[in-house]
Formats: sequence, structure tokens, C-alpha cells
Amino acid sequence: SQQGEEDPQALSIQEGENATMNCSYKTSINNLQWYRQNSGRGLVHLILIRSNEREKHSGRLRVTLDTSKKSSSLLITASRAADTASYFCATDKGYGGSQGNLIFGKGTKLSVKP
Amino acid sequence: EPEVTQTPSHQVTQMGQEVILRCVPISNHLYFYWYRQILGQKVEFLVSFYNNEISEKSEIFDDQFSVERPDGSNFTLKIRSTKLEDSAMYFCASSQEPIWGYTFGSGTRLTVV
Repeated sequence: SQQGEEDPQALSIQEGENATMNCSYKTSINNLQWYRQNSGRGLVHLILIRSNEREKHSGRLRVTLDTSKKSSSLLITASRAADTASYFCATDKGYGGSQGNLIFGKGTKLSVKP
Repeated sequence: EPEVTQTPSHQVTQMGQEVILRCVPISNHLYFYWYRQILGQKVEFLVSFYNNEISEKSEIFDDQFSVERPDGSNFTLKIRSTKLEDSAMYFCASSQEPIWGYTFGSGTRLTVV
């Protein structure tokens, strides 16, 4: 698989439930970022976790990073219909002198039903 | 909150024509990027720009593509002779420091007919 593969590809839940999305990658990284994209719209930066961090919170978002397994998870708690979107992880290539160019995964399409 | 602004939001062009996609990055940002997303596919890196020169580019960014920062505020992507397969959403992004993250614009949807 390629760098930044998310699973599941699609996730459908009821409002109020938690949504967990996973991301795996292959190479070493400086940081891993999660983005959200509403259908046909721009990318919204959600959260960045550095390679020396294991967990980070932002509002209803919780991101974990396991560099030994080269994986990350994004948890959205108490989901709302407005959370319906595609969620992407993106990794920074991580070698010295990198200009921070991101490699994106294919994304998880989250649908939150009212 | 500061934004990256892209214009136009949608552009339709005929195959073989030149297009210029425009971006206004956040004013105190130093690093600039173009990405593209073909419908239903991954977001792909095209090029990064720092200190008035290209710092890195992908295989996609061939001789048909060029970038410019003409006036200290705009950052443009030019496609010299568009092909059907250039149809995609093009995103501009900027960063004050890459390790801190990036701000993306809302994109320009380019349709080549």
C-alpha cells in the first residue's frame, strides 16, 4: 500500500456516536496531519501531530500516533451531522531539509446520520 | 482567521489553451505549494516554492507547468497547453514554517474540454 492509507474507506454512523478513522504509512515522518474536505470543496486543516508526540486533542478530535506501527487514528467524539465529510491523513516526508511536502491518503468518507 | 484565497473558483478552458490559476497566500507565510486532486483520487503534490524559487517538484510538474510570485502577494500556477487530463481541483497552500502545518485555499476547479 502507499503512504497515508486510511481505513475504513467509508464509515456511516448515527449522530452522537464516535467515529474512528485510521491511517497507515510506510516511511519515516516529521509529522502527520489530518484534513477534512466537504464534497467538492477545499481542504481544512484539523490537527497536526509531531513524530515525537503520541496523542493530541482539539475539541472533539483526538489523534494518536504510533510511530512503531506507522499508524495514526482520528477519533471524533459525539459526532454531528455537520461532521459529514471526507477525512484525509497527510504525512510530511520527513527527511532532512524537507520542505514539508505532504503525501495524502485516499481518505475516509464519513457520513453522520441525524 | 487568515485565509489562502484562490481565484477563480471554477475555470473551463479548451484543450491546448494556457491557464493561470491565482492564489493569495497568508501574508506572513514564506512557503507556498500547489497540489491537485483529480476527481475521486488522492490529493497530489505538484510543487513547493520558497525564497522565490522552486524547492521541490513532483513528476507531474513537467515543462507545461510553471509557478511565479510576481508581486510579493500573489502566487500563480500556469499550465501552458492544457490537456484533458489536467482537469482537476487545484489547491494552493501556504505555511509560515512547514513543521507547524499548512493552510489550504478552497481550490480552483479546472475543467479542460
